[in-house]
Amino acid sequence: EPEVTQTPSHQVTQMGQEVILRCVPISNHLYFYWYRQILGQKVEFLVSFYNNEISEKSEIFDDQFSVERPDGSNFTLKIRSTKLEDSAMYFCASSEGGAGYEQYFGPGTRLTVT
Amino acid sequence: GESVGLHLPTLSVQEGDNSIINCAYSNSASDYFIWYKQESGKGPQFIIDIRSNMDKRQGQRVTVLLNKTVKHLSLQIAATQPGDSAVYFCAEIVNGKSTFGDGTTLTVKP
Repeated sequence: EPEVTQTPSHQVTQMGQEVILRCVPISNHLYFYWYRQILGQKVEFLVSFYNNEISEKSEIFDDQFSVERPDGSNFTLKIRSTKLEDSAMYFCASSEGGAGYEQYFGPGTRLTVT
Repeated sequence: GESVGLHLPTLSVQEGDNSIINCAYSNSASDYFIWYKQESGKGPQFIIDIRSNMDKRQGQRVTVLLNKTVKHLSLQIAATQPGDSAVYFCAEIVNGKSTFGDGTTLTVKP
């Protein structure tokens, strides 16, 4: 069964450094998403991406964040200058269509900012 | 503002019993709702969804009920099994943006 994959599984970085989290969505999916989950808290929507552009983003997704689909398979989330409060699990998801279509989540990348 | 909450943070049931997990939401403009299951160390997994023009939807062993009058959503799991042990949370979608609830930890006792 096709699945969403994410790398790395755990990323440790120092405050102020740039990180890139990588995702490979399911191959025939057209919509891509990033979410984060701070330890012990609820999942939070960050951004949705379709047709090579951002379709929706939350208040969390400020200028420090960017997303890119650099080729036909990868979908990346970049945090330019990490802060301690960026420490969280970051989940990528993909779906065949927009609202109303099931989103398939990856296993997540645990980001630890020290 | 938007908020999605669950009534109970934990629920413990006996194997074979039915489970009911509840969720209250506040945004009356929500047009779509999803229940997710999250096992330890894994990403959320879609269980069942429901559109705002419906009040009930059934899947395999799961049923979602939507009461728009009181802005309440519930997930019923029939004949709960040990493999159902996980965190369950609801999400409401408005204009393509998802807002998630805190989660209820379901523990199934053998």
